[in-house]
Amino acid sequence: EAGVVQSPRYKIIEKKQPVAFWCNPISGHNTLYWYLQNLGQGPELLIRYENEEAVDDSQLPKDRFSAERLKGVDSTLKIQPAELGDSAVYLCASSFEGNEQFFGPGTRLTVL
Amino acid sequence: GDSVTQMEGPVTLSEEAFLTINCTYTATGYPSLFWYVQYPGEGLQLLLKATKADDKGSNKGFEATYRKETTSFHLEKGSVQVSDSAVYFCALSDQAPGKLIFGQGTTLQVKP
Repeated sequence: EAGVVQSPRYKIIEKKQPVAFWCNPISGHNTLYWYLQNLGQGPELLIRYENEEAVDDSQLPKDRFSAERLKGVDSTLKIQPAELGDSAVYLCASSFEGNEQFFGPGTRLTVL
Repeated sequence: GDSVTQMEGPVTLSEEAFLTINCTYTATGYPSLFWYVQYPGEGLQLLLKATKADDKGSNKGFEATYRKETTSFHLEKGSVQVSDSAVYFCALSDQAPGKLIFGQGTTLQVKP
């Protein structure tokens, strides 16, 4: 069974540019999470979806970050415009009905 | 708010040594507690969990006991191997189903 797929694995951009990350959860998992992991820190939840609905986006900086999960399957997280402080690893995870979360390998973003 | 505190790393041990990684938490309710492991270049994997006081979670020779009186969930292993070298994260899930709050992670290096 395939795990959580994320792409790209690495992204380098200049500040003020837009960037997008893609996540494909494990088949059948209705709950999808995006986490931000700064260097030397644990992951912090950005947004949680149940099917198509964002049920917890309280930690998402809405001035520059957006996310969508249009068909309740894969999801895209976007930053526009990116800032230097956005350099981090962006993790996607999925679960069935809020049970054990399975994590993808992450996208490492470097903003120059 | 809820939080998790882990001992600072890196922790460097020789093969077959005894491992303890301390984890304490603050929560308003009765959280479930988790240990995740992150091997180099991979996503986080659930190592073990405990859902109520005095429960012991165990997996792959690792174990941790949910201690409500000391609000702790220390990770232990009797004999570490080089392959155990990774970053270990303690986490809790409390108010919102599926919402994980992580500690900052502890890097374990095991030398042959």
